[in-house]
Amino acid sequence: QKEVEQNSGPLSVPEGAIASLNCTYSDRVSQSFFWYRQYSGKSPELIMSIYSNGDKEDGRFTAQLNKASQYVSLLIRDSQPSDSATYLCAVNIGPGANNLFFGTGTRLTVIP
Amino acid sequence: DAGVTQSPTHLIKTRGQHVTLRCSPISGHKSVSWYQQVLGQGPQFIFQYYEKEERGRGNFPDRFSARQFPNYSSELNVNALLLGDSALYLCASSLRPNPDTQYFGPGTRLTVL
Repeated sequence: QKEVEQNSGPLSVPEGAIASLNCTYSDRVSQSFFWYRQYSGKSPELIMSIYSNGDKEDGRFTAQLNKASQYVSLLIRDSQPSDSATYLCAVNIGPGANNLFFGTGTRLTVIP
Repeated sequence: DAGVTQSPTHLIKTRGQHVTLRCSPISGHKSVSWYQQVLGQGPQFIFQYYEKEERGRGNFPDRFSARQFPNYSSELNVNALLLGDSALYLCASSLRPNPDTQYFGPGTRLTVL
């Protein structure tokens, strides 16, 4: 059983719309959750981290965490063509090493 | 401030050879982790080092080894290369060992022929 699961997509949204990306994880003791953006051929770039249940907003991005449902999501408001990338959900399944478990990523395309 | 740096950028090797990849963390960061990312997949954890000690190891064969130096830079070594080792190798650094946000370097693209 995979520890972190994401819809692989592709997900297409028109420019200006809200993009919703979802992620579920299997280990209930997971403590920290991250969203990374990865452009083709590049390395992952941190967008958001979230540690507590609820919403966390940063500019056009909102991360939502529900530990009871083992679910974390990322909303991108006013999507721009430059948001087109693969979005990786990562979970730190503690305790112990600071190793992240990643999903396979969701490819997002924002259509101008 | 400089981010995580990795060298080389690209590398081509043949089966059975050995490779060494290098990483310098963000200034002040003492923890370095290595990940392997094959095409179409998310990164997979290989090793974490903190203060020159191994803090974690992923599900990789003994052909993979790593170390961290007093200046917190790190090397990843892979022996007896296989075709399946072709991947993007990512180094990530963090301030603290766990839990802490990890910042990735640009990666080393390894191709094994």
